[in-house]
Amino acid sequence: GQSLEQPSEVTAVEGAIVQINCTYQTSGFYGLSWYQQHDGGAPTFLSYNGLDGLEETGRFSSFLSRSDSYGYLLLQELQMKDSASYFCAVSYDSSYKLIFGSGTRLLVRP
Amino acid sequence: KAGVTQTPRYLIKTRGQQVTLSCSPISGHRSVSWYQQTPGQGLQFLFEYFSETQRNKGNFPGRFSGRQFSNSRSEMNVSTLELGDSALYLCASSLGDSPYEQYFGPGTRLTVT
Repeated sequence: GQSLEQPSEVTAVEGAIVQINCTYQTSGFYGLSWYQQHDGGAPTFLSYNGLDGLEETGRFSSFLSRSDSYGYLLLQELQMKDSASYFCAVSYDSSYKLIFGSGTRLLVRP
Repeated sequence: KAGVTQTPRYLIKTRGQQVTLSCSPISGHRSVSWYQQTPGQGLQFLFEYFSETQRNKGNFPGRFSGRQFSNSRSEMNVSTLELGDSALYLCASSLGDSPYEQYFGPGTRLTVT
């Protein structure tokens, strides 16, 4: 099957840095996306990695290593408003279908 | 630019009934995807439409169907509702050239009693 694994919950302190990992099955892998969803809200697109390496967008960065079938989302200078669920999502075999991980619930404490 | 809109936002139905949900994508977006979100199963892909054609389908029973109109608006239908169909149904639109950057609507919260 096409499954992704990410931690269910992460807690961090305001101002700190947190990394959310995502591992995926290699066969037919095309690219890795990250989405943020606040309670009661809709998922919003954060970043996409199609090639190995780091993509930076403000306080958020995302990394991909195809050889390790692994990626992560890095959130810096954490703010209370970053408390949300974060989903990694992959596409396989150039299909127009996104498979989402089960989500990581991030709690930012003062 | 207006975002993705979904109607209705909330719906309560009885087992055995059918339901139709509507999604209007962002102007210029030709791809619409539908997802079911539940606490236990997370976000699960239902199907994706592009230019009125279904390009991809998830692993859901045939009771779940959809269509897309020439103006890119999309509907999904669930027939013979079951209690387990209670969920948040999200649609997302994109330009259609790749699936990675999708824009989600607020969802329709369906409760089946």
